[in-house]
Amino acid sequence: DVKVTQSSRYLVKRTGEKVFLECVQDMDHENMFWYRQDPGLGLRLIYFSYDVKMKEKGDIPEGYSVSREKKERFSLILESASTNQTSMYLCASTLGGPQHFGDGTRLSIL
Amino acid sequence: KNEVEQSPQNLTAQEGEFITINCSYSVGISALHWLQQHPGGGIVSLFMLSSGKKKHGRLIATINIQEKHSSLHITASHPRDSAVYICAVRSTGNQFYFGTGTSLTVIP
Repeated sequence: DVKVTQSSRYLVKRTGEKVFLECVQDMDHENMFWYRQDPGLGLRLIYFSYDVKMKEKGDIPEGYSVSREKKERFSLILESASTNQTSMYLCASTLGGPQHFGDGTRLSIL
Repeated sequence: KNEVEQSPQNLTAQEGEFITINCSYSVGISALHWLQQHPGGGIVSLFMLSSGKKKHGRLIATINIQEKHSSLHITASHPRDSAVYICAVRSTGNQFYFGTGTSLTVIP
């Protein structure tokens, strides 16, 4: 079974802090994704990566950056957290078939 | 503009009822996915379809490529089926698009 692990289930940070969300998958998947999910808006793609050191902007990349130094790890970075980045963040990976999702990180920015 | 539209947004059913959730999309696709999200956040992939029909237990997913439409059916619904069901498509341009989800509550 594919396992996608996100480093934290719940996280509380302050405005202006630099925030790191980590995601690790154990199935050698090339494609990894970061989404945020907000009520009434569904899942929105922030960034995705199709290989090590490769990244592509999704629908809402502003205020975020990503890092993919190793195939199994895809990090989402909030350079200077703002209250409108309070959300549920979901990581997913795929080889090209179904996406496998982590359990999500509920991030609150105070 | 939403590339993927789901209906209904919210659905309440009595235990045992047959349930249908609909998904329409506007882009050319290579695959369509049905996802299930339980309270607490975890998302599970239920089906991946590119044509026809798939069945897994009490869940059935169908797709009509010509009409750009898919349905997810749940037979003999149970309270443990209560979740948000999300339709997602992978376009021929390799983009992923998601519906906003259908929140299902099954009452005992």
